[in-house]
Amino acid sequence: QITLKESGPTLVKPTQTLTLTCTFSGFSLSTSGVGVGWIRQPPGKALEWLALIYWDDDKRYSPSLKSRLTITKDTSKNQVVLTMTNMDPVDTATYYCVLERDAFDIWGQGTMVTVSS
Amino acid sequence: QSALTQPASVSGSPGQSITISCTGTSSDVGGYNYVSWYQQHPGKAPKLMIYDVSKRPSGVSNRFSGSKSGNTASLTISGLQAEDEADYYCSSYTSSSTYVFGTGTKVTVL
Repeated sequence: QITLKESGPTLVKPTQTLTLTCTFSGFSLSTSGVGVGWIRQPPGKALEWLALIYWDDDKRYSPSLKSRLTITKDTSKNQVVLTMTNMDPVDTATYYCVLERDAFDIWGQGTMVTVSS
Repeated sequence: QSALTQPASVSGSPGQSITISCTGTSSDVGGYNYVSWYQQHPGKAPKLMIYDVSKRPSGVSNRFSGSKSGNTASLTISGLQAEDEADYYCSSYTSSSTYVFGTGTKVTVL
């Protein structure tokens, strides 16, 4: 059974850096073709793709957020970490971790992050 | 990259068929057969319903089907059921080797 779970702070202050961890099981990020990514959804709004890291360490970022995002993986721990700098209240959203094979196949439950002073 | 354009809402009666459109450009929807569709019930994580324009993952009802023509992809739900009431999002691979989502469509079963 494949599962992904997001963890991190629920509240961050403006200008701070957000660090989110995705811990997964049931697959390996060493397997060819596999990727793990992040997608967010502000309350009542649409999904927004953020970043993706592949088994070969190829990294992709949303063009509009590229300067603020970093995605890394720790294959031995089955974890993927997303950092987002200079957080702003507009970044308040539920952040989802996803397995990418055919598409965004399996989603984590999501973690709500609020940006407020 | 701009979000793909979807109608804000679509409705239908039980048993009917509805179609949701997803319009992009030649740099995303029109340029690749990597369009996928997601169903999201309130308070839940999205679920993959269609990938590679028209392929269904194992376990997804064959009432859901996908197609594409030019820069517009479509999701059709046939034999509409109450459980199909949800938000639906399309997504496409882009020429920048990134992904983009649609604006989302709320499906209401009358």
